[in-house]
Amino acid sequence: GENVEQHPSTLSVQEGDSAVIKCTYSDSASNYFPWYKQELGKGPQLIIDIRSNVGEKKDQRIAVTLNKTAKHFSLHITETQPEDSAVYFCAALSNQFYFGTGTSLTVIP
Amino acid sequence: DAGVIQSPRHEVTEMGQEVTLRCKPISGHNSLFWYRQTMMRGLELLIYFNNNVPIDDSGMPEDRFSAKMPNASFSTLKIQPSEPRDSAVYFCASSYGGRGDTQYFGPGTRLTVL
Repeated sequence: GENVEQHPSTLSVQEGDSAVIKCTYSDSASNYFPWYKQELGKGPQLIIDIRSNVGEKKDQRIAVTLNKTAKHFSLHITETQPEDSAVYFCAALSNQFYFGTGTSLTVIP
Repeated sequence: DAGVIQSPRHEVTEMGQEVTLRCKPISGHNSLFWYRQTMMRGLELLIYFNNNVPIDDSGMPEDRFSAKMPNASFSTLKIQPSEPRDSAVYFCASSYGGRGDTQYFGPGTRLTVL
């Protein structure tokens, strides 16, 4: 089955700086890669996604890049704000969704 | 839309008791998923329903766990008897187009088994 690895497990950045979270996957058949943000006491919320026929997608301060050859995809958050502090999960869809282990992002005011 | 609704939000019970978790998916979605989240194992898919039919229950840990979806707007996850190792946050998610479509998660039920 699919194996999704996510790094780093924790990340602290100063407000206004950029944050990058990386995931790798093993199944070349995986074709859909969503990113979820989970705030304390809440369920994961979809923030951006990308399909395998696209290399990059951007939505305001958030962007996702996909390298199918290397089997990795990354989440980029620019101009970070304290409200970006949360746990972020990547996922890859092959026969089902496989989730990364999460990155706890702290944005320091 | 109200989103995925789960109840209760918190449940504390004693070992050996029966626990029932409830979920109402987003109206119009035809797929429903139950997940368990723990610090050690992260997010694990327990079971997936499509059009009210269980399609994949390979993630259900053991016979103590059962799930039903009697209609398109309601599902239950039951643990009987419960054990301390079942303590976790249980999420329900739904999607419009099946396993390969974007999933929307509920707020979760935090279960503590003493």
